[in-house]
Amino acid sequence: KQEVTQIPAALSVPEGENLVLNCSFTDSAIYNLQWFRQDPGKGLTSLLLIQSSQREQTSGRLNASLDKSSGRSTLYIAASQPGDSATYLCAVIRSGGSNYKLTFGKGTLLTVNP
Amino acid sequence: DAGVIQSPRHEVTEMGQEVTLRCKPISGHNSLFWYRQTMMRGLELLIYFNNNVPIDDSGMPEDRFSAKMPNASFSTLKIQPSEPRDSAVYFCASSPRPGTGTDTQYFGPGTRLTVL
Repeated sequence: KQEVTQIPAALSVPEGENLVLNCSFTDSAIYNLQWFRQDPGKGLTSLLLIQSSQREQTSGRLNASLDKSSGRSTLYIAASQPGDSATYLCAVIRSGGSNYKLTFGKGTLLTVNP
Repeated sequence: DAGVIQSPRHEVTEMGQEVTLRCKPISGHNSLFWYRQTMMRGLELLIYFNNNVPIDDSGMPEDRFSAKMPNASFSTLKIQPSEPRDSAVYFCASSPRPGTGTDTQYFGPGTRLTVL
């Protein structure tokens, strides 16, 4: 059974700092890995999707990397802003069958202080 | 596009009552998902529809839960009878073509259910 773990569970940083969020998964046979953002009282917004054949994806100040062999992904946020405060969730789709089923970590709650 | 629409946004009910949650997926999306989010268990897939047909309902916790998708633009998740442990946020998501490895899922704002 695929398990996804995110460390730390919560992170507080001053504005302008660069930061890294971590995600690990137990089964390296994945189809893709996605990072989502969840704001309080709202749904999830997809930030980045990395296919299993890729090593990283970038969007603006966000960079996500994937190391399938070690079962790890990182989300790098450059020059953090208060508007980045949210919960960040990592999710994987396992290959070989149910290639629609997202398995989520429990998220990292990020607070960026002005 | 309006995005995925869910109603109601909040629901408070008493144990034993029937609860119906509603979802309108993004137009043109072929697949629809229902998720449940709790502090203890995080986000869990309950059921997945493709072209209005239930494909995977292995995540539905009990027979008290049922879901339907009568057409491409509407789905319901029903709990009957409801219990306090059903209290959670229920999300609906849709996707153009899942299973390709390239498509993400688009989530609605969720329905926060409280069963007293």
